[in-house]
Amino acid sequence: DAGVTQSPTHLIKTRGQQVTLRCSPKSGHDTVSWYQQALGQGPQFIFQYYEEEERQRGNFPDRFSGHQFPNYSSELNVNALLLGDSALYLCASSNQGPSTDTQYFGPGTRLTVL
Amino acid sequence: AQSVTQLGSHVSVSEGALVLLRCNYSSSVPPYLFWYVQYPNQGLQLLLKYTSAATLVKGINGFEAEFKKSETSFHLTKPSAHMSDAAEYFCAVSGDRGSTLGRLYFGRGTQLTVWP
Repeated sequence: DAGVTQSPTHLIKTRGQQVTLRCSPKSGHDTVSWYQQALGQGPQFIFQYYEEEERQRGNFPDRFSGHQFPNYSSELNVNALLLGDSALYLCASSNQGPSTDTQYFGPGTRLTVL
Repeated sequence: AQSVTQLGSHVSVSEGALVLLRCNYSSSVPPYLFWYVQYPNQGLQLLLKYTSAATLVKGINGFEAEFKKSETSFHLTKPSAHMSDAAEYFCAVSGDRGSTLGRLYFGRGTQLTVWP
């Protein structure tokens, strides 16, 4: 049973560029959440996708956007990158069924903005 | 909004000693509570979860946590530390109990060091 997968593993960009990160949820899961983890901090919630719609959003600017596809996979897009966007981006998947609220995390994508 | 406080950003113990990592939460209603572990350069792995079925929750790798509503605490313990327990530990609370949205609020983490 494949867990949550993310690509790429590492990414280096320069300020002002745009980046797309990808996530495939755990088999049987239909909900994807994205988190940003800055160095030395706990993960911060960016947004959550279910049924191809953004269901909930954290305190992140509109430069952060996402998408969920019919196969439940998801993308996180960040425009106009800032140095402060350097972080580990974590994807988590879960199920909207009765046993909800357990999120399983992928290994993350390490983004470095120069 | 929910919040989580982890007391002690660094905890050091000797191999074989008791591990105690502290977590306090703020919530207007009993929440779902979680402990995750993060090894270097990896994602988060679920250790255990509290959903009100029992106040003492047993997790993987010999860890357990006790929910104390009166103290709004959910401390993580392990009777005997092992070198392989060295990692970063995060306490988290679910934002909307009873909701299907399930946003997680995380503490800042506690780095556990185990000395031989």
